[in-house]
Amino acid sequence: EAGVTQFPSHSVIEKGQTVTLRCDPISGHDNLYWYRRVMGKEIKFLLHFVKESKQDESGMPNNRFLAERTGGTYSTLKVQPAELEDSGVYFCASSLIGTGYGYTFGSGTRLTVV
Amino acid sequence: AQSVTQLDSQVPVFEEAPVELRCNYSSSVSVYLFWYVQYPNQGLQLLLKYLSGSTLVESINGFEAEFNKSQTSFHLRKPSVHISDTAEYFCAVAPYNFNKFYFGSGTKLNVKP
Repeated sequence: EAGVTQFPSHSVIEKGQTVTLRCDPISGHDNLYWYRRVMGKEIKFLLHFVKESKQDESGMPNNRFLAERTGGTYSTLKVQPAELEDSGVYFCASSLIGTGYGYTFGSGTRLTVV
Repeated sequence: AQSVTQLDSQVPVFEEAPVELRCNYSSSVSVYLFWYVQYPNQGLQLLLKYLSGSTLVESINGFEAEFNKSQTSFHLRKPSVHISDTAEYFCAVAPYNFNKFYFGSGTKLNVKP
């Protein structure tokens, strides 16, 4: 079974540019989550999809961040325009609906804004 | 609200020595407890978890953690570490509906020969 796939694995962009991160969850997992770790701090929750609907986006830092989940499959997280403080590692996770069973994280995307 | 505190940001230890990585949590609701590990250049991997039952849980590679409800702790221990255990370890809690995880800031375990 394929795991949670994220790409790119690394991205370096200039301040003010736009970046789009993608996450492909495990097939059949209706729950999809985004997390972020900034500069050696704790990993923080950003948002939670159930299928294509946003269940909880309380962790999104500001309106420069836009998350979508097309048809309840893969998800994208767009940062526009990027700021220096957006640098960090962005993790995606997925799990089966209604449970935490199989809660699996991807390898993350390391975003560096210069 | 939930929060997780990992008291040590870095733990250097010699190979074959014992190690304990400390984790304390605070929560207004009942939670499940987890340890995740991130090896260099890899993603987060589940190391072990406490959901219910015995308060002592073990991983397949020799780590164990004990849930202490009175002290709200979930410390991770290994009696003899290997070079390959060098990684960053994250303690986490999740409420029973698993709607989100709350992580600590991580502990870097550096095993030296």
